[in-house]
Amino acid sequence: EPEVTQTPSHQVTQMGQEVILRCVPISNHLYFYWYRQILGQKVEFLVSFYNNEISEKSEIFDDQFSVERPDGSNFTLKIRSTKLEDSAMYFCASSAQGGTGSEQYFGPGTRLTVT
Amino acid sequence: AQSVTQPDIHITVSEGASLELRCNYSYGATPYLFWYVQSPGQGLQLLLKYFSGDTLVQGIKGFEAEFKRSQSSFNLRKPSVHWSDAAEYFCAVGSYNTDKLIFGTGTRLQVFP
Repeated sequence: EPEVTQTPSHQVTQMGQEVILRCVPISNHLYFYWYRQILGQKVEFLVSFYNNEISEKSEIFDDQFSVERPDGSNFTLKIRSTKLEDSAMYFCASSAQGGTGSEQYFGPGTRLTVT
Repeated sequence: AQSVTQPDIHITVSEGASLELRCNYSYGATPYLFWYVQSPGQGLQLLLKYFSGDTLVQGIKGFEAEFKRSQSSFNLRKPSVHWSDAAEYFCAVGSYNTDKLIFGTGTRLQVFP
């Protein structure tokens, strides 16, 4: 069964460093998402992406964050200058169609630890 | 604003016992409701969803959920739990005009033999 994959599974970085989290969505999907979960808190929406542009973003997704689909398979989340409060589990998701009616398939997550 | 509450952080049941995980939502219009499960090291997997129609929805792995508008609830149930059901369960709400899902904090289910 096709699945969303994410690399790395765990990333440790120092405050102020740039990190890139990578995701390979399901191959025929067109809609891509990032969510994050700070330890002990809710899973929070960050951004949705379609047709090579951001379609929706949350207040969390400020200028420090960016997303890109550099080729036909990868979808990345970049944090330009990490802060301690960016430590969280980051989930990538993809769906074949847009709108809440379509199922979002989630990856296993990348745990980001900022020290 | 939309929100989801899962009042139970951790639930422990014996294998074979029945299960009910609670979910309450806050949303002005008819919500789209979801239950996801996350096993250790795995992504979030959709168990079931409700958009409209029959308020009792069936999902995968023998789970079902009932939408009760009067109680703003969408509780997940299973008549007989298996040890493999041990996981974290997330309730989520969406709406027609957005792709984003709003999640609850999750309920961790532990199953004893």
